[in-house]
Amino acid sequence: SQKIEQNSEALNIQEGKTATLTCNYTNYSPAYLQWYRQDPGRGPVFLLLIRENEKEKRKERLKVTFDTTLKQSLFHITASQPADSATYLCALADSSYKLIFGSGTRLLVRP
Amino acid sequence: GAVVSQHPSRVICKSGTSVKIECRSLDFQATTMFWYRQFPKQSLMLMATSNEGSKATYEQGVEKDKFLINHASLTLSTLTVTSAHPEDSSFYICSATPSGGATGELFFGEGSRLTVL
Repeated sequence: SQKIEQNSEALNIQEGKTATLTCNYTNYSPAYLQWYRQDPGRGPVFLLLIRENEKEKRKERLKVTFDTTLKQSLFHITASQPADSATYLCALADSSYKLIFGSGTRLLVRP
Repeated sequence: GAVVSQHPSRVICKSGTSVKIECRSLDFQATTMFWYRQFPKQSLMLMATSNEGSKATYEQGVEKDKFLINHASLTLSTLTVTSAHPEDSSFYICSATPSGGATGELFFGEGSRLTVL
């Protein structure tokens, strides 16, 4: 069955460091992969989308890589800030916009 | 960015009653909307795909007679939890993508927290 795995343990880092979150998937050939941010009690907010033929995407302090051979995406936040503390969700989709979500990784940035 | 509004944000009801949750796309038209539910510290689980003017497509294991979906216009989809029971208590979230949009980005509502007593 299709499976998306994100580290269930919270990632705790010092302000100013780079946070790296991992998303691994199995039994899936996604057309694209997305990353979302979710704050407690709120709906997810879209951050970045990367397509299967793209290796890397950047947006301000965010960077996403997509390795379809390893079936893995890495999500980086550089110069992290306490305001970046949230749960980050990885989601995969085929061409129908139907997203399958990972369970998310909680990031805590200490001041 | 596009805005999706959900209402109510919180609802508490007695067991056996029905609850309706609305999802509106405020500044764009959405042929398709999606309904998810999320239990604490768990992933968003897709429940159904809501199609304007036609029947919703439900995911495996989701009871269509219990979770009624109506998508009567290009800006509104509703989810009705019928005869709610405590195990239906969850965070329900809708999402939409603009009709004809090519990016695949989904815009999510703020979610509706349902508590069934």
